Amino acid sequence: NAGVTQTPKFQVLKTGQSMTLQCAQDMNHEYMSWYRQDPGMGLRLIHYSVGAGITDQGEVPNGYNVSRSTTEDFPLRLLSAAPSQTSVYFCASSTGAVTEAFFGQGTRLTVV
Amino acid sequence: KQEVTQIPAALSVPEGENLVLNCSFTDSAIYNLQWFRQDPGKGLTSLLLIQSSQREQTSGRLNASLDKSSGRSTLYIAASQPGDSATYLCAVSSDNDMRFGAGTRLTVKP
Repeated sequence: NAGVTQTPKFQVLKTGQSMTLQCAQDMNHEYMSWYRQDPGMGLRLIHYSVGAGITDQGEVPNGYNVSRSTTEDFPLRLLSAAPSQTSVYFCASSTGAVTEAFFGQGTRLTVV
Repeated sequence: KQEVTQIPAALSVPEGENLVLNCSFTDSAIYNLQWFRQDPGKGLTSLLLIQSSQREQTSGRLNASLDKSSGRSTLYIAASQPGDSATYLCAVSSDNDMRFGAGTRLTVKP
């Protein structure tokens, strides 16, 4: 009954460091996506994947990298963290791009 | 570019009141619209999904309507309870993109 699992829940990085946010789902969903949520703004799409081996950019992809080697996992990599990447990151999965989406609990990232 | 707006940004009501949350979008070429609930520090929980061909969806005390031609959706909450206090977000889907509003923060006072 896990659904979408994100790790870690909290992270503090120094400017210039790199890290990977993990996302795993156990619902056999083809579509997975990453969003960031900033105060006063809606969630914005960073990257998405329509299936293993296929990824594409969303609205705000700069500074982030993704890969999808399995159906279950969709990690988000920050290549060189910047203070502007301080945000709450959500991973979501669904059977398709326009079906009901299931979200993880989020990762709160602070870049100092 | 699709833009989604939710008004009001915050709403405080006494327990038992019926209320309406509003969502508007600029491009009517959507596949569906979803309403989500977000509790502080938590992820999003899907409440209702309305396909573009539908006019409304109901789940318990919640009713969501969709008027695609005018770019509007409403979420009606009947007999509000303190447990309904949360942020409510709407999101519209088109192609491989889901666009979110900034949300309405609802407080239901006992």
